[in-house]
Amino acid sequence: GENVEQHPSTLGVQEGDSAVIKCTYSDSASNYFPWYKQELGKGPQLIIDIRSNVGEKKDQRIAVTLNKTAKHFSLHITETQPEDSAVYFCAASDTGRRALTFGSGTRLQVQP
Amino acid sequence: GAGVSQSPSNKVTEKGKDVELRCDPISGHTALYWYRQSLGQGLEFLIYFQGNSAPDKSGLPSDRFSAERTGGSVSTLTIQRTQQEDSAVYLCASKPGLAGDTYEQYFGPGTRLTVT
Repeated sequence: GENVEQHPSTLGVQEGDSAVIKCTYSDSASNYFPWYKQELGKGPQLIIDIRSNVGEKKDQRIAVTLNKTAKHFSLHITETQPEDSAVYFCAASDTGRRALTFGSGTRLQVQP
Repeated sequence: GAGVSQSPSNKVTEKGKDVELRCDPISGHTALYWYRQSLGQGLEFLIYFQGNSAPDKSGLPSDRFSAERTGGSVSTLTIQRTQQEDSAVYLCASKPGLAGDTYEQYFGPGTRLTVT
């Protein structure tokens, strides 16, 4: 089955700096890679996703890159703000129809 | 519109008791997932329902866990003879289904289960 590794487990940045979270996956059949943000006491919320037919996707301050050959994908947050502080999860699945396999999460703390 | 709702939000039970957790998916979503999130961990897949198809139970950790989805809408996750290691947040997610081009899963707020 699929295995997703996520690094780092914790990340502290100063407000305005960039943050990068990296994930690797094992199943070459995976073709859908979402990123979720989870705030304390809430369920995860999708912030951006990418499919295997593209290498990069951007939405305002958030971008995701995908390297299918190396089986890794990354989340980039620019101009971080204190409200970006949360736990971020990467995930992978094939076709998007089946269950997601999640990474272990990254706790991002943005210091004002 | 209304999102995915789960009840109860918190449940404390004694070891050995049975518990039922409820999930109300977004109206019209045909796909429904249950995940488990242990403290400080990622989400672990439990079970997946898609329309009237047989559910994918491959993630259930033991035969003490079962789930059903009545009428293609509400789902109940049942844990029998609870153990302390069952303590976790149980999350439900729904998705529009196979039709269309949407892969996003919408998560509920979860049920925090504590087994004492």
